[in-house]
Amino acid sequence: DTQMTQSPSSLSASVGDRVTITCRASENVRNYLNWYQQAPGRAPKLLIHVASTLQSGVPSRFSGTGSGTDFTLTISSLQPEDFATYYCQQSYSTPHTFGQGTKVEIK
Amino acid sequence: QVQLVQSGGEVKKPGSSVRVSCKPSGGTFDNYAFSWVRQAPGQGLEWMGCIIPILGTTIYSQKFQDRVTITADQSTTTVYIDMTTLSSNDTAVYYCARDRGVRSWFDPWGQGTLVTVSS
Repeated sequence: DTQMTQSPSSLSASVGDRVTITCRASENVRNYLNWYQQAPGRAPKLLIHVASTLQSGVPSRFSGTGSGTDFTLTISSLQPEDFATYYCQQSYSTPHTFGQGTKVEIK
Repeated sequence: QVQLVQSGGEVKKPGSSVRVSCKPSGGTFDNYAFSWVRQAPGQGLEWMGCIIPILGTTIYSQKFQDRVTITADQSTTTVYIDMTTLSSNDTAVYYCARDRGVRSWFDPWGQGTLVTVSS
């Protein structure tokens, strides 16, 4: 199975901060890498697919880069509604695997 | 915008089985696949398997292959996951999610179904 490792596991930030989350795959997943946001008690929500394509309706402050084994999710200016947990997920091979999550908390 | 509507929470005894359903609000499967992902309390997301209803094709994570069956009922446009031999480790929220198959992404997700396994 392809292991997905996110860093950091958690971070504290303020409204307006630029936030970067990284995701590393144990094998080459090409660009088949997706990012999700999960608010407490809610289902995950798709933010970015195939590494860098913003899902319809997602604010442009979210962006994704990377290919192969190293990927990044960036929030350019953190908003109050962005405090949540973020997961990367590879869809290059089955079983589809997720990172352990990065919790973004209010500083 | 299609929504996935899941069945309600379940409380089960260890060793028993559970079935959770997932129904797209649009009333059609189209050409999509439907996956099941679970999340234990305070933990991350774990993909269990998927089905492509129009083909009847299923793919399972090896971890769950022996205890999980994913099916689709074309007449009611409903996807099911059945899990047997439950233990406390299976206590989790179970989500269904739509995707286009391998090398795709999950969108949308159902609201989640809490399955609690307790004696």
